[in-house]
Amino acid sequence: QVQLVESGGGVVQPGRSLRLSCVASGFTFSSYGMHWVRQAPGKGLDWVAVISFDGRNANYADSVKGRFTISRDNSMNTLYLQMNSLRPDDTALYYCAENFSPGGSYSPIDHWGQGTLVTVSS
Amino acid sequence: DIQMTQSPSSLSASVGDRVTITCRASQDISNYLAWFQQKPGKAPKFLIYAASSLQSGVPSKFSGSGSGTDFTLTISSLQPEDFATYYCQQYNSYPFTFGQGTRLESK
Repeated sequence: QVQLVESGGGVVQPGRSLRLSCVASGFTFSSYGMHWVRQAPGKGLDWVAVISFDGRNANYADSVKGRFTISRDNSMNTLYLQMNSLRPDDTALYYCAENFSPGGSYSPIDHWGQGTLVTVSS
Repeated sequence: DIQMTQSPSSLSASVGDRVTITCRASQDISNYLAWFQQKPGKAPKFLIYAASSLQSGVPSKFSGSGSGTDFTLTISSLQPEDFATYYCQQYNSYPFTFGQGTRLESK
């Protein structure tokens, strides 16, 4: 079955950087667009970014544009999120998630990982 | 950006009740609307796509409707495992956006 396992979270000071990873298994990773979605403690879901199946196209939430970069390595079945210039309001559980439909750009999210916690604090 | 507004923000109901949650988009999103269920400490679960299509394995007591800007999620005959928070999400245009969530609690 589909498995998405995030890692790389931790405590980081404001202004610093962090890179999250998500290792995928149980499906043809190179055929599906992938997302990052975050959830601040006690708050709702906040979509962060998406990358196309081939890594050529990416889109971001306004709140992270210019600071975060989503990327993927299809040979390693791994999704990344490079987070720079972190701010306290970036504190959240970060989920990696898979598109429902292969190939397409406008697809809902299907499977989710369990998340990795990022805490931005001095 | 498209804003998604859910109502109510919270809802109290009893086992056996039928409940309806509303999601409104700030502009026309056709039927590019999904619904998710999230229980405390767990990742969200995908329920419905294209406004009304049930994801495989989701019980038929869940149903969705709507198009354009107004959508609903209905849960018939509530069971204890249905008490959770529900989110809508539009995937018509980037950035994809979620509603703020509706917390369904046991009365």
